[in-house]
Amino acid sequence: RKEVEQDPGPFNVPEGATVAFNCTYSNSASQSFFWYRQDCRKEPKLLMSVYSSGNEDGRFTAQLNRASQYISLLIRDSKLSDSATYLCVGNTGKLIFGQGTTLQVKP
Amino acid sequence: NAGVMQNPRHLVRRRGQEARLRCSPMKGHSHVYWYRQLPEEGLKFMVYLQKENIIDESGMPKERFSAEFPKEGPSILRIQQVVRGDSAAYFCASSGTGSGTEAFFGQGTRLTVV
Repeated sequence: RKEVEQDPGPFNVPEGATVAFNCTYSNSASQSFFWYRQDCRKEPKLLMSVYSSGNEDGRFTAQLNRASQYISLLIRDSKLSDSATYLCVGNTGKLIFGQGTTLQVKP
Repeated sequence: NAGVMQNPRHLVRRRGQEARLRCSPMKGHSHVYWYRQLPEEGLKFMVYLQKENIIDESGMPKERFSAEFPKEGPSILRIQQVVRGDSAAYFCASSGTGSGTEAFFGQGTRLTVV
């Protein structure tokens, strides 16, 4: 079983839709979590950290559920520019990336 | 404050040559990670280093690959006797101390083996 697992998608949604991604992790010792965004052939960029209490940044909300060992990312009012691959990351002392979930926002 | 700097951005090597990839972390960062990404695939962890120490190299191939992060200068990922299968994007990330610290990536080095 992979340490960090994501549904690769793709998720195809219309502009303005709300979309949610989930990510599960297997190592309960994971200490912190992040969401990164990667555009085609570019480097991953930090989107937000994930806290147990939840974390909101504009249209983006991240949540951590330690009991169920999953992390979620909610994107509201999606824009064309949100089209990218979203990477879930767990920190067990080293950063472990999920394979990414591809989002395609259509006009 | 410059971000993570990787060079070269593109590197072409013939089979059997050596490839040296360099990564200068963000100012104040003492942790460096190297990842490899094949086309249409996810990021694969290779190695995690602190200054002068390899902390975790569980993702490094057993042969031909080595990494260092000297006291002075950039981190180096070295691939000896490259083969076509080594063609990939190699990303470096750096972070400060502490397990909750975010990591920031360089723009990557795209290695092509011909």
